[in-house]
Amino acid sequence: GENVEQHPSTLSVQEGDSAVIKCTYSDSASNYFPWYKQELGKRPQLIIDIRSNVGEKKDQRIAVTLNKTAKHFSLHITETQPEDSAVYFCAASKGTGTASKLTFGTGTRLQVTL
Amino acid sequence: EAGVAQSPRYKIIEKRQSVAFWCNPISGHATLYWYQQILGQGPKLLIQFQNNGVVDDSQLPKDRFSAERLKGVDSTLKIQPAKLEDSAVYLCASSLHRGADYNEQFFGPGTRLTVL
Repeated sequence: GENVEQHPSTLSVQEGDSAVIKCTYSDSASNYFPWYKQELGKRPQLIIDIRSNVGEKKDQRIAVTLNKTAKHFSLHITETQPEDSAVYFCAASKGTGTASKLTFGTGTRLQVTL
Repeated sequence: EAGVAQSPRYKIIEKRQSVAFWCNPISGHATLYWYQQILGQGPKLLIQFQNNGVVDDSQLPKDRFSAERLKGVDSTLKIQPAKLEDSAVYLCASSLHRGADYNEQFFGPGTRLTVL
């Protein structure tokens, strides 16, 4: 089955700096890659996603890049703010509709310090 | 729109006892997922329903876990008997399922289970 590895497990940055989280996946058939943000004690919430026919996607301070050849995708957060502090999970899926199950990475705890 | 609802939010039981969790997905969402999230790890899919049918239960420990979605709306997940290693947050998620579209999965608040 699919295996998703995520690094680093913890990341501390100063407010205003950029943060980068990297994930690799094993199944070349995977074609959908969402990123979820989970604040302490709360539910995971989708912040951005990318499909395999796109190499990069940006939404304000957040961007995701995908390298299908290397089976690698990354989350980039610019101008970090204290409210960005949370655990971030990458995930991969190789289907739509009924085959849409997600395989998650192990998470990155991002701490934005003042 | 109302989000995914789950109950209870917290449950503490002793090992070998049984427990049940309930999930009400977003109205109109055909696909429902149960995930297990152990502390410090990402969610792991236990079972996926499409309406009232099981699509994927390959990672469900069927000797002790069961789930149903009889009318294609609400779902229950049961553990009987519970083991210490079942301590985790159990997340329910739902998605709309519109043919070939990628569907965002919306998560409920989860049920935190502690097995003593």
